[in-house]
Parts: sequence; structure tokens; C-alpha cells
Amino acid sequence: GQQLNQSPQSMFIQEGEDVSMNCTSSSIFNTWLWYKQDPGEGPVLLIALYKAGELTSNGRLTAQFGITRKDSFLNISASIPSDVGIYFCAGPLSGGYQKVTFGIGTKLQVIP
Amino acid sequence: DAGVIQSPRHEVTEMGQEVTLRCKPISGHDYLFWYRQTMMRGLELLIYFNNNVPIDDSGMPEDRFSAKMPNASFSTLKIQPSEPRDSAVYFCASGGAGETQYFGPGTRLLVL
Repeated sequence: GQQLNQSPQSMFIQEGEDVSMNCTSSSIFNTWLWYKQDPGEGPVLLIALYKAGELTSNGRLTAQFGITRKDSFLNISASIPSDVGIYFCAGPLSGGYQKVTFGIGTKLQVIP
Repeated sequence: DAGVIQSPRHEVTEMGQEVTLRCKPISGHDYLFWYRQTMMRGLELLIYFNNNVPIDDSGMPEDRFSAKMPNASFSTLKIQPSEPRDSAVYFCASGGAGETQYFGPGTRLLVL
């Protein structure tokens, strides 16, 4: 089946540092989604990508849709303490947008 | 809008007891999803509905799990009988025709 592999699984960084994480799949995805889950809350959509090669920003966050359509990257610049949380990549499974599979997540800790 | 509402937020029960989780989706959303989140398996889609009709329940782990959506503003996920391995965070999410899903805060279930 279509599975998403995220790396790294966890990160500890100093406040102010930039962060990079990625997501790969053995299957092609036509849409890539990046969600963030704050502690004790549900995931919230950060960025959606729809075209191979697309680069999209949302404030300090930038995500890219890989050219092969089998990977995606999320970068966070100048990290701050509220960036703490779990970041998930996700993509719709075959059959429609609504059924989405999630990666295992990258847990980010920011040291003030 | 209040967002997706889930109740209870926390549930502690004993093995063998029936557990009912409740969800009120965002008004106007046609899709409703139930997910389970564990450390080992991440976020797993259990079942989703479109216009109150179950579309895909292939993620429901076994017959002990059942879900209903009697109307557009209410859904339940029931576990009977519950087992310790059912301990997890259960999320309800709702969405429209696109790929964005809006998650509730989750129900943290502990089965002793």
C-alpha cells in the first residue's frame, strides 16, 4: 500500500535555528499536505502542495513538492519555542482526496 | 464556528466495558473521519462518512468497533467490549469537497 516515511523522527534544536524535514514514498502522490500537531491538540493543516516542483511558503514555513512526486520537504526558518510539536506529511490515497494517509511524524523540540 | 467538537476529552475505563466517543463536525462539512493515534502506528484512518453514509470502514480494526452518523451534526464511535490495546487518542475530523480536514481536540482513551 501507499506509505509515507518521514525523517527525522525527532529533533532537538536551538531557538533561532533553521529546521528541515522530509517525507518520501514508494508511490507517486498528486498532492502533498503538511500538518502540525500541538501538544494535546489535533493536527492542523499548514501547507498544501499540488504540482511537482511547487514551492510554497506560509510565514517562516516553506514546503516543496518533489520533482519525482515521491517526496516532499518542509523547512522552518528561525525557529521559535511555539514551533514545538509534531509535523506530519500526508497525502490522499488512491480513490480520492478525502482518504488521506499520514506519515509517522517528526517531533520537534525547540530549546530556548 | 466552534470547530470540531469531541466528547469526552478523556476516558478511563476497565477492560470489557463499552466506550462511546462522540463528535460534532463543523456545520456544512460533508465528510467526517475517525482516526486513531498511537505511538507505534501514528495516525490511522478508521472510517469516513460522506453525507452521513459510511464510505470506507477498512481501517476499523475489528468487529468490536462500530461507527454511526445518524445526522449531519453528530457521529459516534463505539468500542464494545474495550481492551487495553484500544488505549489511544481518537480524533474526529470533518471536511468539505477538498482535501483539507479539520481535526477535533481528540479523546484520550485509557483501558485498564
